[in-house]
Amino acid sequence: DSGVTQTPKHLITATGQRVTLRCSPRSGDLSVYWYQQSLDQGLQFLIQYYNGEERAKGNILERFSAQQFPDLHSELNLSSLELGDSALYFCASSAPGQRAGYTFGSGTRLTVV
Amino acid sequence: GQQVMQIPQYQHVQEGEDFTTYCNSSTTLSNIQWYKQRPGGHPVFLIQLVKSGEVKKQKRLTFQFGEAKKNSSLHITATQTTDVGTYFCAGLGGGTSYGKLTFGQGTILTVHP
Repeated sequence: DSGVTQTPKHLITATGQRVTLRCSPRSGDLSVYWYQQSLDQGLQFLIQYYNGEERAKGNILERFSAQQFPDLHSELNLSSLELGDSALYFCASSAPGQRAGYTFGSGTRLTVV
Repeated sequence: GQQVMQIPQYQHVQEGEDFTTYCNSSTTLSNIQWYKQRPGGHPVFLIQLVKSGEVKKQKRLTFQFGEAKKNSSLHITATQTTDVGTYFCAGLGGGTSYGKLTFGQGTILTVHP
């Protein structure tokens, strides 16, 4: 157990639907990062939050949105899902004030059918 | 934007052979990190390099950071079957304390017993 909790582990949904992925960071970590991993794209950065505020944005689609709540957990919302959105979605967290390594959760495998 | 290229994409070795993966950034990095992802798992932080020309060792693994802080390498001596997985480098842009990591595409290592 890495200390970063992601739910659900697996999700199968139909095209056009909306899903929410949840992440609880490691205790004490203020930063949360979302990454998408597909076979041909590696780990693609989506978005970063730090203590409730959006800090950096990657090539995140307009259909995707995220937020970090006061208790520091984060949610990634994916809407109008397409087949190409099928991927592993990882959440990671890192300690504040340090250039420390990320701790990744075990990921959510999303399958859009 | 910042790009991190990693080669080779795949490497097959016989157990006991050495293995090296190389990472190059399009921009100068503040630091570089290495991660290992076992098949079916999530990326796990291995090490962080910060200083120009830095070399760090972890048992059979040797990590180097280039003098210009734009390239890095990971060398595994005498591979074992437990080394199987995907090795990612990830760069943090210069002057950024809380910025996102940009991951290379990864090198998939297969070790034949």
